[in-house]
Amino acid sequence: EAGVTQFPSHSVIEKGQTVTLRCDPISGHDNLYWYRRVMGKEIKFLLHFVKESKQDESGMPNNRFLAERTGGTYSTLKVQPAELEDSGVYFCASSRAGQGIYGYTFGSGTRLTVV
Amino acid sequence: DAKTTQPPSMDCAEGRAANLPCNHSTISGNEYVYWYRQIHSQGPQYIIHGLKNNETNEMASLIITEDRKSSTLILPHATLRDTAVYYCIVKFSGGYNKLIFGAGTRLAVHP
Repeated sequence: EAGVTQFPSHSVIEKGQTVTLRCDPISGHDNLYWYRRVMGKEIKFLLHFVKESKQDESGMPNNRFLAERTGGTYSTLKVQPAELEDSGVYFCASSRAGQGIYGYTFGSGTRLTVV
Repeated sequence: DAKTTQPPSMDCAEGRAANLPCNHSTISGNEYVYWYRQIHSQGPQYIIHGLKNNETNEMASLIITEDRKSSTLILPHATLRDTAVYYCIVKFSGGYNKLIFGAGTRLAVHP
């Protein structure tokens, strides 16, 4: 089966601009997660979708971040306006309904650089 | 979820066994031990998990002490491609499935 696909793989934007990251989960995976690692810090959870519904968005840093998963398929994460501290690697993961955390499959991530 | 403690870094010679320790002294009876790793420029990858019995799969073995307060991930024949950051995560099997990553252990496998 195809893995979790994220694009772009790299994005360089100026402070104040808008960037949209996309994640295509494995087909049939109801659970979709976003994580990020900012420079020098640990990987942090952002939010969790079950199909198109936000199950847990406790990790979203502020209202500049907006995640959507229309139709329960792919998801987008928009950062508007981007700030310097948003630079880092954004990971997406998916899993089947009812699978524990051993069922996660991660994408390779989007490296976001805000200058 | 219980807190874990791992050494920040370890070295291993290629072809030798890599033994990565993890302390989780506050683990509860129904919490599992999970191991993930992140190879540079890739997303985290699941390795193995266990409750109280030792586990083995095609990637690694997991040894959990009888009191469950610590565990060891064993890569039996480390290769250069095993160079990565390894994360030990203790978590209930149910409930929300978000992962809480610590700093992990940076394993360097050298020729």
